[in-house]
Order: sequence, then structure tokens, then C-alpha cells
Amino acid sequence: GNSVTQMEGPVTLSEEAFLTINCTYTATGYPSLFWYVQYPGEGLQLLLKATKADDKGSNKGFEATYRKETTSFHLEKGSVQVSDSAVYFCALSEDAGNMLTFGGGTRLMVKP
Amino acid sequence: GAGVSQTPSNKVTEKGKYVELRCDPISGHTALYWYRQSLGQGPEFLIYFQGTGAADDSGLPNDRFFAVRPEGSVSTLKIQRTERGDSAVYLCASSTTGNTEAFFGQGTRLTVV
Repeated sequence: GNSVTQMEGPVTLSEEAFLTINCTYTATGYPSLFWYVQYPGEGLQLLLKATKADDKGSNKGFEATYRKETTSFHLEKGSVQVSDSAVYFCALSEDAGNMLTFGGGTRLMVKP
Repeated sequence: GAGVSQTPSNKVTEKGKYVELRCDPISGHTALYWYRQSLGQGPEFLIYFQGTGAADDSGLPNDRFFAVRPEGSVSTLKIQRTERGDSAVYLCASSTTGNTEAFFGQGTRLTVV
């Protein structure tokens, strides 16, 4: 079956530091890949997505590239802000129903 | 409404009781999903509706769990004979079709004591 594995948190960084959150996946076909973010007290929000190999998703300074050869979709940001503190979830969707398979989430804490 | 609305936001119930959780999707969204998120874990798929029918209910853990969407809009997740292991945040999401971005509600936190 499908699965998503992401690095465990919490990840604690100082403001303006570089961020990488690793995500790898297992899928039987050719999935679409997503990063969702959950800010404190809020619902899950789509951060970015990529639908095929070598695509790069980007939003709010975050980027992730769909790497089929390494089955990875690592999230990066060059300079984090305190407001980026949240839980980040990597996810995939393989079928037409858009059912999502999520990783376990990574909590990011950014200190001023 | 502006977003996906879930009620109640919190529900505490005794072991063995019956509960209903409600999801009001974004108007016009035909696809609706239920997920369950246990503490410290990612959401797990429960069931997917396209219109009034359950297109995929493979994630429902057992026959104590049931969901309906009789008019193709509001959905109710029903849990019978609740167990302490059912304690989790239950998330609902909707999308315009099955192939577009899903928008999530803030969830219902269910605690079974």
C-alpha cells in the first residue's frame, strides 16, 4: 500500500535559518505529492503540491521538488520566520478520489 | 459558508455511548472526506463521498463507524458503542470534484472517557 515517511520533530530553528524537512514515499503508481501546514488553532491548509516527476511546488517561500528516482519530496525554505512555526504534513494522492495518505507530521518551532 | 464547518468542536462522551459528528462542506463541493487524526500522528482516511454516495469507505475501522450524506451536502459521521481508542480529532474536507484541492475543517476533538 501507499505510505509517507517524514522526519520526526520537533525541529527548532532560529529566525532566518535554512529549513529542510525530509519526506519520502512509497506508492504503487504515480502519485501527486503535497505539503500541508497546520498553524496553531487552525485547520490543515494546502501549502504546495507537485503532480509529476521533476515538478517543483512553491508557495510563501517554501519549495519542494518531486524526485521520482529517490521517491522524495523534501520541503525547503531559505529563511524561516517565527510565523512559520506550525506542524507540516507531507501527503500523497494516487487515485481519482483524491484520498490523501499523510505522513506523521513534523513540528517546526522558530525562535526569534 | 466561507469554509468547511464541523460541529461540535469538542465532544466528550462516555465509553459505550453513541456520537454523531457533523460536517458542513463548502457550498457546491461535491466531494467530501472524513479523516481521523490521533495525537501526534497524521490524518488517516476514513471515507469519501461523491455526491450522496460513499465512493470509498475502505478506511472505516470497523462496523461501529458509519457516515451518511443524504442530500449531497452535510455529512454526519456516526460512531456506535464508543471506545477509548476512538478518541481523536475527526477531520472533514471537501473539494469541487475528486481531483481538486481539498479544504479542511478545524475538526471535532472526540474524547471517550
